[in-house]
Amino acid sequence: DVVMTQTPVSMSVSLGGQVSISCRSSQSLVHNNGNTYLSWYIQKPSQSPQLLIYKVSNRFSGISDRFSGSGSGTDFTLKISRVEPDDLGVYYCGQGTQYPLTFGSGTKLEIK
Amino acid sequence: EVQLVESGGGLVQPGRSLKLSCAASGFTFSDYNMAWVRQAPKKGLEWVATIIYDGSRTYYRDSVKGRFTISRDNAKSTLYLQMDSLRSEDTATYYCATLNYDGKFAYWGQGTLVTVSS
Repeated sequence: DVVMTQTPVSMSVSLGGQVSISCRSSQSLVHNNGNTYLSWYIQKPSQSPQLLIYKVSNRFSGISDRFSGSGSGTDFTLKISRVEPDDLGVYYCGQGTQYPLTFGSGTKLEIK
Repeated sequence: EVQLVESGGGLVQPGRSLKLSCAASGFTFSDYNMAWVRQAPKKGLEWVATIIYDGSRTYYRDSVKGRFTISRDNAKSTLYLQMDSLRSEDTATYYCATLNYDGKFAYWGQGTLVTVSS
């Protein structure tokens, strides 16, 4: 199974600041077809998860350009700029390259 | 607007069965692969099962293989999860979600809580 390791486990940021969340996979996420199926999700308090980023760097419909994804192979990063109050929650990375599909253990973002 | 509405959760004794449903609307259900993802209390996300758009193939995580069955009725735009021989470790909120070919869970339901306890 592909193990997804997220760091940090939690972080606190001031409004207007910037944060980076790291996600590393135990195997390359490059599919046989050349695509890399790495996604990012946010789960706000008492809500279902929501898709932010897919295929490493593509923002989902309606997602602010304050969210950006980057990386390749086994090393990926989610950056959030100009942090707003609504950004608080738990962020998960997930891989869709091979079964079983797996997620990171989450990064909790708190607002100072 | 895409809507996924799960139902069927509840309290069940270990070893018993439960069947979850997910009613879909706002998109062409029969065009999409679908999945169940669960989240144990205060824990992270865990993929459970996937079914291809036409029901021709299914995938399961090892811990539920042989006990859970994912199915769909495209005429009713409904996804199901039959859960047999339930264990305490199956206690979780179960979400249904669309699963695109680019590996993303694009849309999620609100979840239904399953509690396995005597």
